Amino acid sequence: GAGVSQSPRYKVAKRGQDVALRCDPISGHVSLFWYQQALGQGPEFLTYFQNEAQLDKSGLPSDRFFAERPEGSVSTLKIQRTQQEDSAVYLCASSLSLAAYNEQFFGPGTRLTVL
Amino acid sequence: GDSVTQMEGPVTLSEEAFLTINCTYTATGYPSLFWYVQYPGEGLQLLLKATKADDKGSNKGFEATYRKETTSFHLEKGSVQVSDSAVYFCALNAGNKLVFGAGTILRVKS
Repeated sequence: GAGVSQSPRYKVAKRGQDVALRCDPISGHVSLFWYQQALGQGPEFLTYFQNEAQLDKSGLPSDRFFAERPEGSVSTLKIQRTQQEDSAVYLCASSLSLAAYNEQFFGPGTRLTVL
Repeated sequence: GDSVTQMEGPVTLSEEAFLTINCTYTATGYPSLFWYVQYPGEGLQLLLKATKADDKGSNKGFEATYRKETTSFHLEKGSVQVSDSAVYFCALNAGNKLVFGAGTILRVKS
């Protein structure tokens, strides 16, 4: 069956460029999460959605980061005016609901390199 | 805030050795606890979980017990294989989002 997919898998951007990262969750999963994983570290929470509603964006590092999920399915994470410190793997995950005991299913990630 | 601390790696073992990866947590509520694994070139996948105190999660020969009194969730396996070489992440979920440890690299030699 189809899992969580993300595109592109790799993205190289020049400092100052805008980028958009896409996530396709598992069909029927209500909740969608974005995490940022720096090299050699564990993933860190950025934001999550329940359907189209963004319920928590406390992990977004600056106002250059913006996420949306307009129809409650596909989500896009946008980073404006990229900086070198934005270089990381961006992970998307989905789950059936927001219950803490639910497994989050992760996509393969998008590796962003900002030059 | 909530946090997870796990032992630093890399951990290098010979095949069939006993494995323990320590994990302790700090949380204000009663979190669910998870171990995720990342095999080389692959994405994060759930290995096991426990949702309340004294629960034991198990999968593929791995086990971990939710110890509320010591706020721990140590990962164990009686006999590791080369195919277990991966990065292991301990995580908690106390309020809708996962909080991860830094990860422990496991290398198993034949």
